[in-house]
Amino acid sequence: ETGVTQSPTHLIKTRGQQVTLRCSSQSGHNTVSWYQQALGQGPQFIFQYYREEENGRGNFPPRFSGLQFPNYSSELNVNALELDDSALYLCASSLLGGTFYEQYFGPGTRLTVT
Amino acid sequence: RKEVEQDPGPFNVPEGATVAFNCTYSNSASQSFFWYRQDCRKEPKLLMSVYSSGNEDGRFTAQLNRASQYISLLIRDSKLSDSATYLCVVNKAGTYKYIFGTGTRLKVLA
Repeated sequence: ETGVTQSPTHLIKTRGQQVTLRCSSQSGHNTVSWYQQALGQGPQFIFQYYREEENGRGNFPPRFSGLQFPNYSSELNVNALELDDSALYLCASSLLGGTFYEQYFGPGTRLTVT
Repeated sequence: RKEVEQDPGPFNVPEGATVAFNCTYSNSASQSFFWYRQDCRKEPKLLMSVYSSGNEDGRFTAQLNRASQYISLLIRDSKLSDSATYLCVVNKAGTYKYIFGTGTRLKVLA
């Protein structure tokens, strides 16, 4: 196992609501990246956090926001949920400053928006 | 053109067969390359990092061809347990953004 944990494992929300997903990174890692994976697609990069700051962002609207805490754990917040936000949300931890930036994924949170 | 492209498959192969997947990338300045394995409804798991000189891990061999901008994964002596989706991942040059392909589905048949 990678040591990356996510909560909750499953979530059902209604369109327009807000959701917060949580991720604890692997021990010794300082960076967390968030991905959205729709059915049949590869994961899409949402953003990355390093030293509690956003370190890069993909093509996601501002209603997707995040935080990283001093212990390197992280939250993903999504406001004004839309039906298309239904997906598997993955976080991955890595060690920035290492040679190859290998990322290790948590088990994901499966979000259903109705 | 997609930044990272893979043949979605499925590749149906008998046990013991050798199978190879390719993945092409569009940005010639990409620096880091990986193969991940993803089982149904599970998270991606790192299979191999792909080094410039190529690398091997047991039955798995990864190669990088910078001139033609593709990476490959070769699986020898396929096992039933190799059935999964194999994701190609490329690091966007100058960033820490990882770009995933849509994955290639492999089914190893008894």
